[in-house]
Amino acid sequence: DAGVTQSPTHLIKTRGQQVTLRCSPKSGHDTVSWYQQALGQGPQFIFQYYEEEERQRGNFPDRFSGHQFPNYSSELNVNALLLGDSALYLCASSDRPYGYTFGSGTRLTVV
Amino acid sequence: QKEVEQNSGPLSVPEGAIASLNCTYSDRGSQSFFWYRQYSGKSPELIMFIYSNGDKEDGRFTAQLNKASQYVSLLIRDSQPSDSATYLCAVNLYNQGGKLIFGQGTELSVKP
Repeated sequence: DAGVTQSPTHLIKTRGQQVTLRCSPKSGHDTVSWYQQALGQGPQFIFQYYEEEERQRGNFPDRFSGHQFPNYSSELNVNALLLGDSALYLCASSDRPYGYTFGSGTRLTVV
Repeated sequence: QKEVEQNSGPLSVPEGAIASLNCTYSDRGSQSFFWYRQYSGKSPELIMFIYSNGDKEDGRFTAQLNKASQYVSLLIRDSQPSDSATYLCAVNLYNQGGKLIFGQGTELSVKP
């Protein structure tokens, strides 16, 4: 049984560009959350999707947007990239409002 | 005050000793509590979760929750060098739709 899969694993972008990160949840999981983890910090909640709707959002600017598809997979889009957006982006899925399983993450570097 | 606080460490213990990791939280509405282990460069891996006051044991790991004191801890018995990692405490505010709020993590080093 595949766990949570994320793509790509690494990418490098230039300031001002846009990026799309992808996540496929664990089989049977219908809720997807995205987190940003800066070096040396704990993950910070970006937003959560359930039934293709953004259910909750953390304290992130509108440059961060997302989408959930009917098959429960999800995308995270970040526009107008800043150097401070460099981080590990984690996707987590669950079939409950707890018990999250994390993917291996996407390491984004903005130069 | 941070919503979830942990000592950043590093916490260093000898092999075979008990490692004690602590976490406090500020919101009394917190419903469930999680401990994740994160190796350097990897994603968090769930070790244990606890919902009720008291102790919950799983192998070498024991999670302890005291809601009155807003305190949750993780004990690792017979620590091994392979336990060396950052341990993240996370709290779920069920009344906020289930998002996890993480502490900054405690780095644990188990010396052979």
